[in-house]
Amino acid sequence: KAGVTQTPRYLIKTRGQQVTLSCSPISGHRSVSWYQQTPGQGLQFLFEYFSETQRNKGNFPGRFSGRQFSNSRSEMNVSTLELGDSALYLCASSPATGGNTEAFFGQGTRLTVV
Amino acid sequence: AQSVTQPDIHITVSEGASLELRCNYSYGATPYLFWYVQSPGQGLQLLLKYFSGDTLVQGIKGFEAEFKRSQSSFNLRKPSVHWSDAAEYFCAVVSPSGGYQKVTFGIGTKLQVIP
Repeated sequence: KAGVTQTPRYLIKTRGQQVTLSCSPISGHRSVSWYQQTPGQGLQFLFEYFSETQRNKGNFPGRFSGRQFSNSRSEMNVSTLELGDSALYLCASSPATGGNTEAFFGQGTRLTVV
Repeated sequence: AQSVTQPDIHITVSEGASLELRCNYSYGATPYLFWYVQSPGQGLQLLLKYFSGDTLVQGIKGFEAEFKRSQSSFNLRKPSVHWSDAAEYFCAVVSPSGGYQKVTFGIGTKLQVIP
């Protein structure tokens, strides 16, 4: 069974641009969560999608948005990029939502904003 | 609000020595608890998890963790560290209420293993 696939692996963008990151969950998984990882802040929860609906959202500005498609694939969009958005963005998939399910992580997308 | 504290940012141990990584959480009830490991340039891999029942849980790669409700702790242990264990370790708490998977991670502990 293929794992969680995130594309692209690396990305360099300029301040003010927008970016879209993609996450393909493990087959059969319906929950997808996104996290931002930075050296200073650690791992911070962005949002979770389940069956195309956003179920939960972290404390990030509205520039960060996401969506989930009917095949459970998810995209995350960041508009008007800032230097501080440089981070590793991780996606995790689970069979279901709720706390007692294991999350499987992708390798992440390393975003650098210059 | 739930929170997770990993008091040790960096730990260095000798290969073959024992290891204990500390994790304390703040949450009103008993949460779901996880330990993940991240190798450089990689995503997170689940080592073990605690939902309920036996407070000593066994995980992969020879790791174990003990849940202590009185201390709000979930420390990770390994009796003999291997050089391949060098990585960053994250403790995570999930609030089980409401059906939402709200995960809070600790800041991480970076483990260095010296020969």
